[in-house]
Amino acid sequence: QSALTQEVSVSGTVGQKVTLSCSGNSYNIGTYPVAWYQQISHGPPKTVMFGNSLPSGIPDRFSGSRSGTTASLTISGLQADDEAEYYCSSWDYRLNVRVFGGGTKLTVL
Amino acid sequence: QVQLVQSGGEVKKPGASVKVSCKVSGYTFTKYGLSWVRQAPGQSLEWMGWISAYNGDTQYAQRFQGRVTMTADTSTSTAYMELRSLTSADTAVFYCARGGGHNYNIDFWGQGTLVSVSS
Repeated sequence: QSALTQEVSVSGTVGQKVTLSCSGNSYNIGTYPVAWYQQISHGPPKTVMFGNSLPSGIPDRFSGSRSGTTASLTISGLQADDEAEYYCSSWDYRLNVRVFGGGTKLTVL
Repeated sequence: QVQLVQSGGEVKKPGASVKVSCKVSGYTFTKYGLSWVRQAPGQSLEWMGWISAYNGDTQYAQRFQGRVTMTADTSTSTAYMELRSLTSADTAVFYCARGGGHNYNIDFWGQGTLVSVSS
């Protein structure tokens, strides 16, 4: 069981906006910045959101936010190649480890 | 550009050890720590620990404590992760990644190394 809770699956159509959520607690998301990773077809993860910053090369269709102990990744103008598994991550100071969510499978219909 | 290039896949027998390397380029090696992350088949990502490339300080996740050793060679800009007493449950892809300590999220990832443990 992951320390951060994500939806198992989310789907959207091309051009639509989708939001993925990542729920934690005061020991992790409530205190530390969150990063989001995209993993396509079991390849290596790729960072798509780094705290509040968009890494170089990531389109501004991706945006991140945090409210309390929940973080969100929003993808606007959904494209077919956005289909992937998405993971959130943060530091947890009670467990003293970096924690990940269980991952959300995004399907583009 | 930042690159982390890992060593090739390994097949090991239960009880054996494996050592995976991660050679970095595109930035000053000693300015960032490196994490190792395990991903078992069909599973999420699991942080194993972190090493400071500056002074070699390490922090391991409790579940790997005593079984993992992370090292960093500043002369070759290469990090290593050794995992001992392997079981079939260790069959996974192992990733090195820049950052991942308490004060810096992971930003760049290696391509992954598949370690298969089977008798």
